[in-house]
Amino acid sequence: TQLLEQSPQFLSIQEGENLTVYCNSSSVFSSLQWYRQEPGEGPVLLVTVVTGGEVKKLKRLTFQFGDARKDSSLHITAAQPGDTGLYLCAGAVGTYKYIFGTGTRLKVLA
Amino acid sequence: NAGVTQTPKFRILKIGQSMTLQCTQDMNHNYMYWYRQDPGMGLKLIYYSVGAGITDKGEVPNGYNVSRSTTEDFPLRLELAAPSQTSVYFCASSYRASGGIYDNEQFFGPGTRLTVL
Repeated sequence: TQLLEQSPQFLSIQEGENLTVYCNSSSVFSSLQWYRQEPGEGPVLLVTVVTGGEVKKLKRLTFQFGDARKDSSLHITAAQPGDTGLYLCAGAVGTYKYIFGTGTRLKVLA
Repeated sequence: NAGVTQTPKFRILKIGQSMTLQCTQDMNHNYMYWYRQDPGMGLKLIYYSVGAGITDKGEVPNGYNVSRSTTEDFPLRLELAAPSQTSVYFCASSYRASGGIYDNEQFFGPGTRLTVL
């Protein structure tokens, strides 16, 4: 069974602080996606990383895919209350499907 | 474009009852998925489909069935509801061109919150 472990599970920080969320597996993925989910809604895609070592930036969010394509990180600079939500990583398995991580619930306090 | 729509939004079932969760997408996506999300957790894949008439099991298929007779619709059937099936169910769709890299965005519906008592 392939697993994607995310850490930390919960994170509560003050506005303006920086944070990093990790997504780790023993399996190799052909691509990896990060989603954000708000209460009562479905997840929404933030980014897809495909190449080992790839770094993508989305405003204050920086995403990195590990060199071996087994892990990824999400770094948020100067967090804002609008960043509050559940962050999910998802690794592509084979041709058709993704395995989702366990999730990191972030709360940014004003 | 409505995107991915799911009905109902909420449902309470008694143990042993059956129901069908409906999912429709209007984006002409070839891939469709059903996930369940238990409180505070990530998503687990129940079933998926790569096109009309083609379905396959995901990580947690037991107790569920699906069909895909059209590109647009992908209903999920619970035959004998059990308390362990209490969860939020999400349908998603995506498009992948033949031979393309599997990096396409999944579009999710708003979810169906199911409670089995």
